[in-house]
Amino acid sequence: DAKTTQPPSMDCAEGRAANLPCNHSTISGNEYVYWYRQIHSQGPQYIIHGLKNNETNEMASLIITEDRKSSTLILPHATLRDTAVYYCIVRVVYNNNDMRFGAGTRLTVKP
Amino acid sequence: GAVVSQHPSRVICKSGTSVKIECRSLDFQATTMFWYRQFPKKSLMLMATSNEGSKATYEQGVEKDKFLINHASLTLSTLTVTSAHPEDSSFYICSAQTSHGTESGYTFGSGTRLTVV
Repeated sequence: DAKTTQPPSMDCAEGRAANLPCNHSTISGNEYVYWYRQIHSQGPQYIIHGLKNNETNEMASLIITEDRKSSTLILPHATLRDTAVYYCIVRVVYNNNDMRFGAGTRLTVKP
Repeated sequence: GAVVSQHPSRVICKSGTSVKIECRSLDFQATTMFWYRQFPKKSLMLMATSNEGSKATYEQGVEKDKFLINHASLTLSTLTVTSAHPEDSSFYICSAQTSHGTESGYTFGSGTRLTVV
């Protein structure tokens, strides 16, 4: 699977949008972009995923550039409970292949 | 949504003893589950892939005789840390694919914090 690059940490003010970037310049055409987050001492939580179109769900929006070499996860109105480590993962989707994590971005939402 | 239940959430054991961690898929069948280990302030590291009815596949550097994985049913995988030592103290997390062959990703357990004293 392609590797990803994320900033190690970011801060965001409560109520503002949090924009988390991810660089995946070596992504292949059949690889999806996934975002997970991990709140302290818990298992990772699925947020969103996409292939090439922008995606939105109740938690976040995912913006993927046209060349698919980078993406941005947007939390539209960050709350204190969104403080977590956010992982961007690219992977080929086929039966039972594993999911590997990079270092992620530690997002701190401040009051 | 799909739930993966992991127990215990915390365990403290003496050096030299063995500890079993259970991972159950509550409302779906999982032919494959994955086990991760996470040290403080570090990312998740894949340890092994657990396949129902067959031997687990271990990542390079992970001792298969120390970390015994059993996947006897479609809803249960267990990880046994044998002859535990303080350096095995870590956060262990399991995951399972919720839908076979789709892009839906994986659901993770809540993790087990193991402390070996």
